[in-house]
Amino acid sequence: GNSVTQMEGPVTLSEEAFLTINCTYTATGYPSLFWYVQYPGEGLQLLLKATKADDKGSNKGFEATYRKETTSFHLEKGSVQVSDSAVYFCALHSYSGSARQLTFGSGTQLTVLP
Amino acid sequence: DTGVSQNPRHKITKRGQNVTFRCDPISEHNRLYWYRQTLGQGPEFLTYFQNEAQLEKSRLLSDRFSAERPKGSFSTLEIQRTEQGDSAMYLCASSPRLAGQETQYFGPGTRLLVL
Repeated sequence: GNSVTQMEGPVTLSEEAFLTINCTYTATGYPSLFWYVQYPGEGLQLLLKATKADDKGSNKGFEATYRKETTSFHLEKGSVQVSDSAVYFCALHSYSGSARQLTFGSGTQLTVLP
Repeated sequence: DTGVSQNPRHKITKRGQNVTFRCDPISEHNRLYWYRQTLGQGPEFLTYFQNEAQLEKSRLLSDRFSAERPKGSFSTLEIQRTEQGDSAMYLCASSPRLAGQETQYFGPGTRLLVL
């Protein structure tokens, strides 16, 4: 079956530090990959996505590259801000019959200190 | 586009009671999903509708759980005879019926606490 493994948190960084959150996956076929973010007290928001190998998704300074050879989709940001403090979820979508569900990792809590 | 809305946002109930949650998807999104999220975990898929048809159900969806989408618009999720293990955040998401469009847009969730 499909699965997503995320780097365990929590992660605490100082403002302007470099961020990497690791994500690896197991899936049948050719999945689409996503990063969702959940700010305190809010719902899940799509941060970025990639639908095929070597695609790079980017948004708000965050980037992730779909690496089929390593089955990875690591999230990076060059300079984090306090406002980036949130929980980040890696997810995949892979067709299996009529299945249209997303499979999520367990989430990584990020705290950015001023 | 007002986004996915869910009601209520919070629900506290006693063990054994029935509860019902409502989800209003983004208008014209014909696909609707329910997920459950427990503390410290990612969302887990419960069920999926395309229009009014319930096309997929997870093994997590026990007989006490039932979901409907009678007119292909809003959806309800009912839990009968609630148990303390049902305490979780229940998330609804919707997506459009477009080729290659698998992005799901989530609502704020309904947090359930069973005492």
